[in-house]
Amino acid sequence: NAGVTQTPKFRILKIGQSMTLQCAQDMNHNYMYWYRQDPGMGLKLIYYSVGAGITDKGEVPNGYNVSRSTTEDFPLRLELAAPSQTSVYFCASSDQTLGYTFGSGTRLTVV
Amino acid sequence: AQSVSQHNHHVILSEAASLELGCNYSYGGTVNLFWYVQYPGQHLQLLLKYFSGDPLVKGIKGFEAEFIKSKFSFNLRKPSVQWSDTAEYFCAVKAAGNKLTFGGGTRVLVKP
Repeated sequence: NAGVTQTPKFRILKIGQSMTLQCAQDMNHNYMYWYRQDPGMGLKLIYYSVGAGITDKGEVPNGYNVSRSTTEDFPLRLELAAPSQTSVYFCASSDQTLGYTFGSGTRLTVV
Repeated sequence: AQSVSQHNHHVILSEAASLELGCNYSYGGTVNLFWYVQYPGQHLQLLLKYFSGDPLVKGIKGFEAEFIKSKFSFNLRKPSVQWSDTAEYFCAVKAAGNKLTFGGGTRVLVKP
């Protein structure tokens, strides 16, 4: 049982480049989330999804986009990378009764 | 909007000492409360959760937390810590919808 799988684990981007962070879950959870974690700031919600075809903005959506074409996958897109997007990104999934299951994270550096 | 405050950013203690981490939230309605732990270089793992019932909740690895509704608090405790408890601890609240709001985290260092 893989849980939540995130790829890549590490990435260095140049300013202005784009990339997609992949997230997949095999627990048939309806809810999926993207958070970014910055030192001393806890986790901030970027985008979330309550089911395939439905996404919504979280606290800090600027500079990011998401899609949810299947229940399993919830990719996060950075179109024009900026140094402020240097962070650790966590994907998570849940059903309504349990806590979240987190992926192992993607450490992104924008230079 | 709801918010979560963790009072201590860093805690340093020796093995066998007792640990208490404070967590307060701002939301007047029904909430679900969580504590997550993040060991160095790892992802977040659930320590314990409160949905309803007994306000004293026991979790994994000897941790417990007490929900005090009148104080909007959900403090985490462990009577005797070990070096392996060195980690960052996050309090989180789920109110309306299914979104978690996290506190800023508390880094705990346990000296052997």
